[in-house]
Amino acid sequence: GNSVTQMEGPVTLSEEAFLTINCTYTATGYPSLFWYVQYPGEGLQLLLKATKADDKGSNKGFEATYRKETTSFHLEKGSVQVSDSAVYFCALPSSGGGADGLTFGKGTHLIIQP
Amino acid sequence: EAQVTQNPRYLITVTGKKLTVTCSQNMNHEYMSWYRQDPGLGLRQIYYSMNVEVTDKGDVPEGYKVSRKEKRNFPLILESPSPNQTSLYFCASRARSDRDTEAFFGQGTRLTVV
Repeated sequence: GNSVTQMEGPVTLSEEAFLTINCTYTATGYPSLFWYVQYPGEGLQLLLKATKADDKGSNKGFEATYRKETTSFHLEKGSVQVSDSAVYFCALPSSGGGADGLTFGKGTHLIIQP
Repeated sequence: EAQVTQNPRYLITVTGKKLTVTCSQNMNHEYMSWYRQDPGLGLRQIYYSMNVEVTDKGDVPEGYKVSRKEKRNFPLILESPSPNQTSLYFCASRARSDRDTEAFFGQGTRLTVV
């Protein structure tokens, strides 16, 4: 079935540093890919998505490009802020057996220090 | 405001005492799911529902029950909770369409079974 691998962290950066969180996937076909973010004490919310190969999703200064050649969807931001501290999840639709939901990576805990 | 509401946010209970975690959404979404989040394991789907009276097992359904009698509500029932069900639980919903659509999550229920 579909699966996602992402770096778990924690990842600790200083404010204004460049961020990359790696995500690779295994899937049948070319499913949509998502990044969700979980701020402390809150539920997950969609950060960005890409629905086909070479698409770039972007939101709040974050970007990720759907790369089918490398089966990757790495999350990047040029200059992080303290308010970006959160857990980030890469995800794609689940596969097989009628399962209707998302398959998530284990999450990357990002800590931004002032 | 579009939202998914879970109650309670925090719950401590004893082994074997039946409990229900409620979930309600106000977006008229067909699809609803329950996930549990555990350190090092990420989010795993427990059960999902594609419409009223239609439910199915996700990846980790053992020890849980659900019902979908109304479109807006999708309660999670633990008939005889055990300590290994101590976890952070999330309800999610999304509109009926293809798998590109965004999932909306509740704020989570932190359950401790002693």
